[in-house]
Amino acid sequence: NAGVTQTPKFRVLKTGQSMTLLCAQDMNHEYMYWYRQDPGMGLRLIHYSVGEGTTAKGEVPDGYNVSRLKKQNFLLGLESAAPSQTSVYFCASKPDSSNTEAFFGQGTRLTVV
Amino acid sequence: KQEVTQIPAALSVPEGENLVLNCSFTDSAIYNLQWFRQDPGKGLTSLLLIQSSQREQTSGRLNASLDKSSGRSTLYIAASQPGDSATYLCAPWMDSSYKLIFGSGTRLLVRP
Repeated sequence: NAGVTQTPKFRVLKTGQSMTLLCAQDMNHEYMYWYRQDPGMGLRLIHYSVGEGTTAKGEVPDGYNVSRLKKQNFLLGLESAAPSQTSVYFCASKPDSSNTEAFFGQGTRLTVV
Repeated sequence: KQEVTQIPAALSVPEGENLVLNCSFTDSAIYNLQWFRQDPGKGLTSLLLIQSSQREQTSGRLNASLDKSSGRSTLYIAASQPGDSATYLCAPWMDSSYKLIFGSGTRLLVRP
């Protein structure tokens, strides 16, 4: 049981480049989330999805786009990377709105130079 | 807007001590609350989930309590061990908003 898998684990980008982070879950969860974690600031919600084909903005959505074309995958895109987007990105999933746990991936460490 | 505060920000204790980590939140309209552990450079591991109708939840040496009305949750770690060294995060699940909101965490070091 793989759980929540993030690809890639590490990446270095130049300012202005684009990339897509992939989150895949094999637990048939409805809800998926993208967070970023910066020193001293905790985890902040970027975007989330409550089902296939749906997306919504979180606390810090600017500069990011997301897509949920398949239930098991949640993609986070950076169209034009900026140094301020240097961070560790975490994906999470949750079965639904009931009293169930959220599960996290191992993170993607992104550096924008 | 939900604000989550964790006190203390950092804690260093000798092995064997019993610990209390505190989490407070400003909006009591939460559905449940989840405690996580994060090891350096790693992802988050779920420790305990407390439903809003519960007052506490236990797993091994861990016990978490929840008081929705006062906006507080406490994680109690009994007989701490060096392997407990990690950052502990609390995250209330906001009622009707589908979101987990995180505190900044408590960084724990248990010295042998």
